[in-house]
Amino acid sequence: DTAVSQTPKYLVTQMGNDKSIKCEQNLGHDTMYWYKQDSKKFLKIMFSYNNKELIINETVPNRFSPKSPDKAHLNLHINSLELGDSAVYFCASSQGGGFLETQYFGPGTRLLVL
Amino acid sequence: GQQVMQIPQYQHVQEGEDFTTYCNSSTTLSNIQWYKQRPGGHPVFLIQLVKSGEVKKQKRLTFQFGEAKKNSSLHITATQTTDVGTYFCAINAGNNRKLIWGLGTSLAVNP
Repeated sequence: DTAVSQTPKYLVTQMGNDKSIKCEQNLGHDTMYWYKQDSKKFLKIMFSYNNKELIINETVPNRFSPKSPDKAHLNLHINSLELGDSAVYFCASSQGGGFLETQYFGPGTRLLVL
Repeated sequence: GQQVMQIPQYQHVQEGEDFTTYCNSSTTLSNIQWYKQRPGGHPVFLIQLVKSGEVKKQKRLTFQFGEAKKNSSLHITATQTTDVGTYFCAINAGNNRKLIWGLGTSLAVNP
């Protein structure tokens, strides 16, 4: 019944590894987002997709590659993980991408790079 | 680019005291949203304000949008331990494509 789900919830890995985080929403929303939240709680938008089309691509290292196989799923693949990638990654969705849209967040993936 | 300043960054209160967090922008806003994130949790939408001078209430929470639509506040009356968390405001980036988030105000409540 979870509206926005993410897997895994926790991810501990070594520097240099490649990892993926998956996100699914069952709300029927058209737009999905990836956010990074650092230890100081700052929420930074990384990517946004609307109906499988990339619409926001912030200044993010190209080691990060999002993929949206359909509008209910948005995955994030990270190559060559670095220590600074340690953070909580949140997936979110909204009905559309308009300015009145409420965003619904997943539970987060806590990534720790050693 | 558009920014929103949120203060204070931290607030520590005794249970029963009031709490207020403020968000300020240098430009006129189309709208503002407020979210709450419990410790270890994810941001959860609380409310959206759109009209100049708008005031909305949710039980002990009162949200206000300034007359000039450049600032907003969230006030909690008689805090409880369940109010603990980080409160974020978020504004539209101007291109209607994304939200710009305040840095959040982390509230701690002593029982």
